[in-house]
Amino acid sequence: DTAVSQTPKYLVTQMGNDKSIKCEQNLGHDTMYWYKQDSKKFLKIMFSYNNKELIINETVPNRFSPKSPDKAHLNLHINSLELGDSAVYFCASSQDPIPGEKLFFGSGTQLSVL
Amino acid sequence: DAKTTQPPSMDCAEGRAANLPCNHSTISGNEYVYWYRQIHSQGPQYIIHGLKNNETNEMASLIITEDRKSSTLILPHATLRDTAVYYCIVRGADSNYQLIWGAGTKLIIKP
Repeated sequence: DTAVSQTPKYLVTQMGNDKSIKCEQNLGHDTMYWYKQDSKKFLKIMFSYNNKELIINETVPNRFSPKSPDKAHLNLHINSLELGDSAVYFCASSQDPIPGEKLFFGSGTQLSVL
Repeated sequence: DAKTTQPPSMDCAEGRAANLPCNHSTISGNEYVYWYRQIHSQGPQYIIHGLKNNETNEMASLIITEDRKSSTLILPHATLRDTAVYYCIVRGADSNYQLIWGAGTKLIIKP
């Protein structure tokens, strides 16, 4: 069983469209994250949820809206997609958001905006 | 900004120990040192982490200097499947508990 799974793996879309990426974890963790990896391969935190509550919201355009229906799921909805949104998006989870915890990552969603 | 400095790339012969260095001279007392790796087209994979003491698990060993300003990740018997980008990250209250990623070290294992 995949511990952290994301769908879709690839997403190609036109500028201006709205799209969603789904993430599910079966590890029983309380905390989930979204990271963005740009073309230079730097990973940056976007959001973090703990028990369905938003605990970290980095400087991300409000076109990005995370939604956590339950603690096993954290979806990312993106409105009015722009060229600069093209990147690989990774979902991750951990038991707690404290420094000693390790994160488990999904395999990523490669988003290409044309 | 990342609080760590790593060499951009390294080579290692298959079967030998791979030693990956990391400098984190501004680390604070409550920050952990984490190592992750990313194999091409996959998500990052946790390897090991430590605070002050050296750590060992089934994947690797982590050696942290006494002043905590640097560390070394050791893969004892590198295989071709260990070819990946290895990230050294410090994480703690000072960084709002976030993993702040740098550029990592591209490790190439050669047959």
